[in-house]
Amino acid sequence: EVQLVESGGGLVQPGASLKLSCVASGFTFSDYWMSWVRQTPGKTMEWIGDIKYDGSYTNYAPSLKNRFTISRDNAKSTLYLQMSNVRSEDTATYYCTITTVVPFDYWGQGVMVTVSS
Amino acid sequence: DIQMTQSPSFLSASVGDRVTINCKASQNINKYLNWYQQKLGEAPKLLIYNTNNLQTGIPSRFSGSGSGTDYTLTISSLQPEDVATYFCLQHSSRPWTFGGGTKLELK
Repeated sequence: EVQLVESGGGLVQPGASLKLSCVASGFTFSDYWMSWVRQTPGKTMEWIGDIKYDGSYTNYAPSLKNRFTISRDNAKSTLYLQMSNVRSEDTATYYCTITTVVPFDYWGQGVMVTVSS
Repeated sequence: DIQMTQSPSFLSASVGDRVTINCKASQNINKYLNWYQQKLGEAPKLLIYNTNNLQTGIPSRFSGSGSGTDYTLTISSLQPEDVATYFCLQHSSRPWTFGGGTKLELK
């Protein structure tokens, strides 16, 4: 069974940095592209970016490219999202997702990030 | 970026009703359209991929159709457990983009 478990969220001040993690199990992590998606309190969904199965290539939403970095450690079956210079509009639930057949066929339970002073 | 316009944003229907939800893309997405269901407090779940392919384990009352810029999710006979928010997603070209969601409630 595919399992994705996110962690690292919480309350963070504007301008700070935060690193989210997603531990995967139930499949061969190093075989698949992985993505991060976020959902705002108003329920709007936004794709953040994705990373190739070997970590050699990443894509980002243009509006987030300069502040967010996606990486992975295949030995640890873990996906990361490094967020820098966070803003109030980054307040959201962040989901880790996998692409097996199509983008986002499985999702983690999500982790909440609140940006506030 | 491809814009996805989903309608309606809110829908109230009775058990047994046929329900349709629409997504319109700002350009041709060549059937690269997924539908997701999100129940309250849960992560989204893939229902249908590439317009009309039912994900494993999803009841056959869910179906999808469309082409070009216009796509539809149909629930043939609404059940109480279908109360949720539904999203479409285009994966024709990055950045992948979502519709605004349809909140489905029981009348």
